[in-house]
Amino acid sequence: EAEVAQSPRYKITEKSQAVAFWCDPISGHATLYWYRQILGQGPELLVQFQDESVVDDSQLPKDRFSAERLKGVDSTLKIQPAELGDSAMYLCASSRDIRETQYFGPGTRLLVL
Amino acid sequence: GQQVMQIPQYQHVQEGEDFTTYCNSSTTLSNIQWYKQRPGGHPVFLIQLVKSGEVKKQKRLTFQFGEAKKNSSLHITATQTTDVGTYFCALNTGFQKLVFGTGTRLLVSP
Repeated sequence: EAEVAQSPRYKITEKSQAVAFWCDPISGHATLYWYRQILGQGPELLVQFQDESVVDDSQLPKDRFSAERLKGVDSTLKIQPAELGDSAMYLCASSRDIRETQYFGPGTRLLVL
Repeated sequence: GQQVMQIPQYQHVQEGEDFTTYCNSSTTLSNIQWYKQRPGGHPVFLIQLVKSGEVKKQKRLTFQFGEAKKNSSLHITATQTTDVGTYFCALNTGFQKLVFGTGTRLLVSP
């Protein structure tokens, strides 16, 4: 069964450093999502792509976060500089199209010291 | 923006007991989805409800959408240890932009 791949699974960094997360969606899935999940809370959408275009990034803190999906396949989420409050699980999800069910990857757990 | 409250936040049951979590919205919903997240895992889609008063069953799980489409519930009959996890409802605000609820964490003791 096809799955969403994410790496790394865990990342420890110091504040003010740059971090990057990678996501490879299920093959053929046009829509890709990045979520942030703080411990004890539900996932919060950061950015949504349709192919290589950003559909929604209204919740993305653009002063420090950036996301790209250059060829409309895999995607990278970057934080620079990282802050203590960025410690969370970063989840990637994909769907065949914008109205289809979302499938989540295993996530990257980030700890900022 | 829309807010989604779930109650209870946490429930601890003995294996074999029933469990229900409720999801409440301040506004009318077009549809609602339910997800399960195992400890240390990622959310897994369970079901989507669209119609007013809709009831759907998946084995021991029963999902219900309120008549006014402002609330929803998930009921598990005769819980098992494999049911452990956090159950989230999620509003689909349009074009699959999901707003997740606060979640109900379920612990099942054998």
